[in-house]
Amino acid sequence: ETGVTQSPTHLIKTRGQQVTLRCSSQSGHNTVSWYQQALGQGPQFIFQYYREEENGRGNFPPRFSGLQFPNYSSELNVNALELDDSALYLCASSLAGRPGEKLFFGSGTQLSVL
Amino acid sequence: GQQLNQSPQSMFIQEGEDVSMNCTSSSIFNTWLWYKQDPGEGPVLLIALYKAGELTSNGRLTAQFGITRKDSFLNISASIPSDVGIYFCAGQLYGGSQGNLIFGKGTKLSVKP
Repeated sequence: ETGVTQSPTHLIKTRGQQVTLRCSSQSGHNTVSWYQQALGQGPQFIFQYYREEENGRGNFPPRFSGLQFPNYSSELNVNALELDDSALYLCASSLAGRPGEKLFFGSGTQLSVL
Repeated sequence: GQQLNQSPQSMFIQEGEDVSMNCTSSSIFNTWLWYKQDPGEGPVLLIALYKAGELTSNGRLTAQFGITRKDSFLNISASIPSDVGIYFCAGQLYGGSQGNLIFGKGTKLSVKP
């Protein structure tokens, strides 16, 4: 067990709605990254948060946004949901500042958009 | 964008057999990592590689970081049923943000008792 917790575990939404996913990082970690994993694919980097600011972003539109809180927990928000947003959303935490620091993943939130 | 080519896509082997899978890329990576993912779970880190040519073991698992920093392999010796799952290679590019890993598409391993 990595100590990274995500909620909820499963979620069903309809197209056009908005969703918020939550993540608590492993104790001692100050950086949170979010990934999207479509069925049968490897995870794809959405963005990373460090010191409550976005610190790196993948190829995702602005309707994907996030927050990091002073206790290092994080939220991923997705607006105007599309059918293709259906995926497993993974949160990973790490300790910034150490080259090659390892990422530890939570179990994910399975989002279904109908 | 950068891609990691992971092969084979799937493997179906007998318990006790050795397994080998690899990843290649046209890009140079700072760090290579190997993860295993079980259904309904997030990826679990198996091995991390930091230096070109580095060979690292974790129990029955052995992984090597290629000399050119563009490839890596993972070997599993004497496979057992609990080795079943999807194995991913992931790389971190030089200059990329720490949390930005590029993943391969995975190798699905099935083990027949």
